[in-house]
Amino acid sequence: DAKTTQPPSMDCAEGRAANLPCNHSTISGNEYVYWYRQIHSQGPQYIIHGLKNNETNEMASLIITEDRKSSTLILPHATLRDTAVYYCIVRVLGVNKFYFGSGTKLNVKP
Amino acid sequence: GAVVSQHPSRVICKSGTSVKIECRSLDFQATTMFWYRQFPKQSLMLMATSNEGSKATYEQGVEKDKFLINHASLTLSTLTVTSAHPEDSSFYICSARGQGAGTDTQYFGPGTRLTVL
Repeated sequence: DAKTTQPPSMDCAEGRAANLPCNHSTISGNEYVYWYRQIHSQGPQYIIHGLKNNETNEMASLIITEDRKSSTLILPHATLRDTAVYYCIVRVLGVNKFYFGSGTKLNVKP
Repeated sequence: GAVVSQHPSRVICKSGTSVKIECRSLDFQATTMFWYRQFPKQSLMLMATSNEGSKATYEQGVEKDKFLINHASLTLSTLTVTSAHPEDSSFYICSARGQGAGTDTQYFGPGTRLTVL
């Protein structure tokens, strides 16, 4: 699996958009980008995933660059409940395993 | 949909005893389940992959005789920490993937906090 690089922490004001970057410069053509988040002392929560097209769901948007070497998770209107560690993972479709990196601690402040 | 539960949520045991943790998929059939371990302020570490009806596959460095995994049905996997010691104290999390839950996505349980005295 391709490795990912994320900033260790970010701050965001409540109500503003949170943009979380992820670098995956060694990603292969058949590897998907997944985003999960983990609120303190809970199991990770699935957010979104994509291959090369931008994706949007009720939680977030995923923007993947044309060369697929990086992506950005966007929380359009961050709330205090979005404070969590966000993990970016790349995975080959059909290969089950996820290997978690260190993630980004997002602090949403009032 | 795609709910995964774990039992117990926390357990405290004496050194040398064995502890069983259950992972259940509540609204889908989990052909594959995964077990992770997370130490304080660290990321999740994949321990093993559990496939229904077959032996689990363990990640490098994980002792298979120490961490016994059984995936007896399409909705239940169990992790037994045998002869637990204080260094086994950790947050154990399972995940599941399978039919009815988006087969290319893993859904995680809430975790089990194990404390070995």
